[in-house]
Amino acid sequence: DAKTTQPPSMDCAEGRAANLPCNHSTISGNEYVYWYRQIHSQGPQYIIHGLKNNETNEMASLIITEDRKSSTLILPHATLRDTAVYYCIVRSLYTGGFKTIFGAGTRLFVKA
Amino acid sequence: NAGVTQTPKFQVLKTGQSMTLQCAQDMNHEYMSWYRQDPGMGLRLIHYSVGAGITDQGEVPNGYNVSRSTTEDFPLRLLSAAPSQTSVYFCASSYTTSGVNEQFFGPGTRLTVL
Repeated sequence: DAKTTQPPSMDCAEGRAANLPCNHSTISGNEYVYWYRQIHSQGPQYIIHGLKNNETNEMASLIITEDRKSSTLILPHATLRDTAVYYCIVRSLYTGGFKTIFGAGTRLFVKA
Repeated sequence: NAGVTQTPKFQVLKTGQSMTLQCAQDMNHEYMSWYRQDPGMGLRLIHYSVGAGITDQGEVPNGYNVSRSTTEDFPLRLLSAAPSQTSVYFCASSYTTSGVNEQFFGPGTRLTVL
């Protein structure tokens, strides 16, 4: 599976949009982009995934560039409870027995 | 559904002791895995299983054994605990091993080895 690169930390003001970037320049055609987050030592929580189209759910939006080499997770109105570590993961659709590898992630601080 | 459950929540061991961390899921998921997370670090994959009777190594398997005799349970065994194994251990499961699906994580077991 392709590797990802994320900034180690970011700040965001409460009520503003948080835009978390992820670089996955070696992504291949059958690999999806997944985002998870981990709030203060709890187990990670799934947020969203996508292949090449932009995706939106009740938690966030995912914007994937046309060449698929990078993506951005958008939390439209960040709250203090969104302070967490956010992980961007790339994983093959077809791997039989996949290994989901987590990197270091981005630590997002939402400030009042 | 209880989801993914882990026991114990906390454990303190002495160097050389052995123990088993328990993980169970009631969602009939094929895929289960174990991760460890050291302070300030991301998760590292220890072992995973794609179904009952099938296990494989992840990134950091040394010092750990696993087995998968049932779909529901995936215990992690520390054979001879070392201080380097002090960490938080997370178990995860997902419905299938292929296709698009999310992983569900347990609450974690916080292990200290003295």
